[in-house]
Amino acid sequence: GQSLEQPSEVTAVEGAIVQINCTYQTSGFYGLSWYQQHDGGAPTFLSYNALDGLEETGRFSSFLSRSDSYGYLLLQELQMKDSASYFCAVRASYNTDKLIFGTGTRLQVFP
Amino acid sequence: GAGVSQSPRYKVTKRGQDVALRCDPISGHVSLYWYRQALGQGPEFLTYFNYEAQQDKSGLPNDRFSAERPEGSISTLTIQRTEQRDSAMYRCASSLALAWQETQYFGPGTRLLVL
Repeated sequence: GQSLEQPSEVTAVEGAIVQINCTYQTSGFYGLSWYQQHDGGAPTFLSYNALDGLEETGRFSSFLSRSDSYGYLLLQELQMKDSASYFCAVRASYNTDKLIFGTGTRLQVFP
Repeated sequence: GAGVSQSPRYKVTKRGQDVALRCDPISGHVSLYWYRQALGQGPEFLTYFNYEAQQDKSGLPNDRFSAERPEGSISTLTIQRTEQRDSAMYRCASSLALAWQETQYFGPGTRLLVL
């Protein structure tokens, strides 16, 4: 089968840095995306990695290591509004745009 | 401009009834995706379209589920003979281009409850 594993929950305090890991086992790999979802809201796109290395977008960065089938989302200078669920997603086949989503990580930021 | 819209936002139906869920993507978006999301879980792929063509329906659970996008814009996901296990949030997303790395923009979802 195909699976993406993430920690179920992470907690941190305002101003801190937190890393959310994602390990994947898929039949193929054509990119790793990250989505944020607040309670009651829709998933919103955060970042995308197709090649190994770090991509930075403001306070958020995302890393990919294809050889390790592993990626992470790094959130810096945490704010209360960052409390949400974070999902990694993989496109596993070249001939479809189908995304396989991870189990999700619930981030709670405390003052 | 407006985002992805879905209707109805909530649907309560009795077991055995058919339901039709509608998705109106962002204007000009080529690709349209349907997902199902259980509480506390990530979105689960159902099917997607490029323009009016259904490209992949491998995620549809069984033949009670079908989807169409006849004019390449609005899409309808139909569930026939609903069962209680069909209760979930159904989300639609759209993306601008055919390139698979394009951002997917999600709609607010339709929460379906089958009694």
